[in-house]
Amino acid sequence: GNSVTQMEGPVTLSEEAFLTINCTYTATGYPSLFWYVQYPGEGLQLLLKATKADDKGSNKGFEATYRKETTSFHLEKGSVQVSDSAVYFCALSPTRSEETSYGKLTFGQGTILTVHP
Amino acid sequence: DAMVIQNPRYQVTQFGKPVTLSCSQTLNHNVMYWYQQKSSQAPKLLFHYYDKDFNNEADTPDNFQSRRPNTSFCFLDIRSPGLGDAAMYLCATSRTGGRNTIYFGEGSWLTVV
Repeated sequence: GNSVTQMEGPVTLSEEAFLTINCTYTATGYPSLFWYVQYPGEGLQLLLKATKADDKGSNKGFEATYRKETTSFHLEKGSVQVSDSAVYFCALSPTRSEETSYGKLTFGQGTILTVHP
Repeated sequence: DAMVIQNPRYQVTQFGKPVTLSCSQTLNHNVMYWYQQKSSQAPKLLFHYYDKDFNNEADTPDNFQSRRPNTSFCFLDIRSPGLGDAAMYLCATSRTGGRNTIYFGEGSWLTVV
């Protein structure tokens, strides 16, 4: 079955540091890949997505590139802010070969990011 | 403006007392989902509606039910909440098709006492 593995957290950084959160996946075919962010006490917000190999998703200074050869979708940001402190979830949605009428997300375990001033 | 709205945001219920959580959407999406998220864990899909068709995940307990009276609204009913059902419940919506983005609401925190 499909699975997503994220780097273990928590991750603690100083403001303006470089961020990388690793994400690798196991799936057949060509899944869509997502990064969601969850701020304390809130629901999930879509941060960025990519639907095919070599696509780069980007939003709010965050980037991730869909690498089929390494089955990875690592999240990066050049300079983090205190306001980026949150839990980050990598997720995938079914592939074309098994595409269904709905998008069943498979989530990674989440990575807690804390940014200090 | 919020597109997926959940009510209430916080709900306290007694052990065994039925509780209903509601979700409404302004996106006119035909797929609606309910996820359960326990502390420090990833969300877990309970079930989804594709239009009026209800689809239960194989491991969703019978204690959890859902209703979708129209496109905009969906309800989660917990018939006899146990202490283990304390969690955040997330409603989400999407257009048809696995590649479309799933949009989440703010979540409803359920406490069972």
